[in-house]
Amino acid sequence: DQQVKQNSPSLSVQEGRISILNCDYTNSMFDYFLWYKKYPAEGPTFLISISSIKDKNEDGRFTVFLNKSAKHLSLHIVPSQPGDSAVYFCAASVINTGNQFYFGTGTSLTVIP
Amino acid sequence: DGGITQSPKYLFRKEGQNVTLSCEQNLNHDAMYWYRQDPGQGLRLIYYSQIVNDFQKGDIAEGYSVSREKKESFPLTVTSAQKNPTAFYLCASSTVINSPLHFGNGTRLTVT
Repeated sequence: DQQVKQNSPSLSVQEGRISILNCDYTNSMFDYFLWYKKYPAEGPTFLISISSIKDKNEDGRFTVFLNKSAKHLSLHIVPSQPGDSAVYFCAASVINTGNQFYFGTGTSLTVIP
Repeated sequence: DGGITQSPKYLFRKEGQNVTLSCEQNLNHDAMYWYRQDPGQGLRLIYYSQIVNDFQKGDIAEGYSVSREKKESFPLTVTSAQKNPTAFYLCASSTVINSPLHFGNGTRLTVT
């Protein structure tokens, strides 16, 4: 059973606009969340994290929002750049249980120049 | 540069043969992981190890085996018992507690 879901397989955005990638989870015990970016034939690269004690974390053009009551998190990329075109995965874990992460199925972002 | 090295990048095997995928890290991380990626699916955990000489099954361990004799190395053997071995395999490492995973560049295994 998929505990972390990314319901949009793909997203296209114009360069300079905002990209919003969404992620939902079912396990209310999850309290640590990550976003990864992945290019074809490469391993995922860590982007940004958030723990459940916060509802927002920002790093440059990337901001992650967490809505615990809705079991929903989102990644905002502003402004979007062509180099952001990749597959984005969200992942979730329960803190202090061995760092086992559950991953979503990914959203393929295309930023159109 | 510190990182995770997976070799080879592409691997081809005949059905019925066991095959071992290599994963080495020089990040001095205690924990190591093996994930599998299939088209349209998220990464699924096969095995993980938090310390040398100890490892635990993930969600899809059947048909796989691992060893952790050294901190730096966590090889994965895909046995003939694995029904659908063709996939992209990713190795990762982390400091054990509450930290992001660092991934290698993966090995694409094709079994025919």
